[in-house]
Amino acid sequence: ETGVTQSPTHLIKTRGQQVTLRCSSQSGHNTVSWYQQALGQGPQFIFQYYREEENGRGNFPPRFSGLQFPNYSSELNVNALELDDSALYLCASSLGGLQRQNIQYFGAGTRLSVL
Amino acid sequence: DAKTTQPNSMESNEEEPVHLPCNHSTISGTDYIHWYRQLPSQGPEYVIHGLTSNVNNRMASLAIAEDRKSSTLILHRATLRDAAVYYCIHTLGNEKLTFGTGTRLTIIP
Repeated sequence: ETGVTQSPTHLIKTRGQQVTLRCSSQSGHNTVSWYQQALGQGPQFIFQYYREEENGRGNFPPRFSGLQFPNYSSELNVNALELDDSALYLCASSLGGLQRQNIQYFGAGTRLSVL
Repeated sequence: DAKTTQPNSMESNEEEPVHLPCNHSTISGTDYIHWYRQLPSQGPEYVIHGLTSNVNNRMASLAIAEDRKSSTLILHRATLRDAAVYYCIHTLGNEKLTFGTGTRLTIIP
């Protein structure tokens, strides 16, 4: 049990719709990272938020956007859903800053299916 | 992107040690080496990390080659619960973890 919770656990949307996924970080952690995991693949980095500011972004289009709130919880928004967006979306929290050890604690993920 | 090379799959008998290898030839001098594992239907779970010296914790041991271009995760006594995909990662900084496809470990009862 990492203390990182994600909601919802499962979601079904249709192509073109918009979706919001939520993540509550572990107590004391100020950094949240989001990953997309397609079936049979390792997680791919989407972006990271550190103290409410975006702090790095992977190779994902602008229709993937996010927010981090003052309590360090976070949202991932995806607009204009495409079939290829079907995946497990993982949130990870960590204690950010200058330290490079970067131990991240993952939630169980949200399974998104786009029909 | 930081790239590591791992075998796609490995098998081990229950209650025997398991050695999971990883090559990370592009590692820089200040990168940490991390291992995570992902059990079925769960998010990845931190296992262990190190910089230069061998490391032990309650889950596993990490043996790092002297040139740091490879490492081995050691599970001293595998149980059925250790069946998972194991990912070896070296971090360029604090902004992201770059996962490969990992090693799928099967434990044989």
